[in-house]
Amino acid sequence: GQQVMQIPQYQHVQEGEDFTTYCNSSTTLSNIQWYKQRPGGHPVFLIQLVKSGEVKKQKRLTFQFGEAKKNSSLHITATQTTDVGTYFCAGPHNQGGKLIFGQGTELSVKP
Amino acid sequence: GAVVSQHPSRVICKSGTSVKIECRSLDFQATTMFWYRQFPKQSLMLMATSNEGSKATYEQGVEKDKFLINHASLTLSTLTVTSAHPEDSSFYICSARELFGNTIYFGEGSWLTVV
Repeated sequence: GQQVMQIPQYQHVQEGEDFTTYCNSSTTLSNIQWYKQRPGGHPVFLIQLVKSGEVKKQKRLTFQFGEAKKNSSLHITATQTTDVGTYFCAGPHNQGGKLIFGQGTELSVKP
Repeated sequence: GAVVSQHPSRVICKSGTSVKIECRSLDFQATTMFWYRQFPKQSLMLMATSNEGSKATYEQGVEKDKFLINHASLTLSTLTVTSAHPEDSSFYICSARELFGNTIYFGEGSWLTVV
């Protein structure tokens, strides 16, 4: 069935280092969404990418959607302790529009 | 921005009893709501899709008689865990999609502990 895979599962960085998580879909996606879940919290919507090759920035966060609309990445420049959490990518299922989530990348930042 | 409220945030119940969790969209109408289950350190597992005015669509392996979903209005969906067992203990999260939009908003989640 349709799958969304995300790597790495965990990433430990020193504060100030960069961080990247990668997302790959088994099928072409109409859009891809990114969420952040803080420890003990619920997923919070960060952004949605729709166009092939799209790049969007939110302060230190850069989101990319691949040309084939099957992969995406989230890059954080100069991480801060407030970036700690699990980052999920999600794409709509090709039937019904439900979201399929990647496994998530848990980011820990050492001060 | 859009807010989805989920209640209760934490609940403890005895084995064999039923628990109802509510999911409300506070400032928008949602024809579709989704119910997820999340185990610690794991991703969100979709349980069912709740459509206003019709029966929910359950994912494979999810018992519809055990996890009753009702979506009676455009702003409210409920999940009832019937005859709860300790293995049902988990974090349950709902999400809602705006009537005329693509963005999905998540509730705060409900921690269920069955003792």
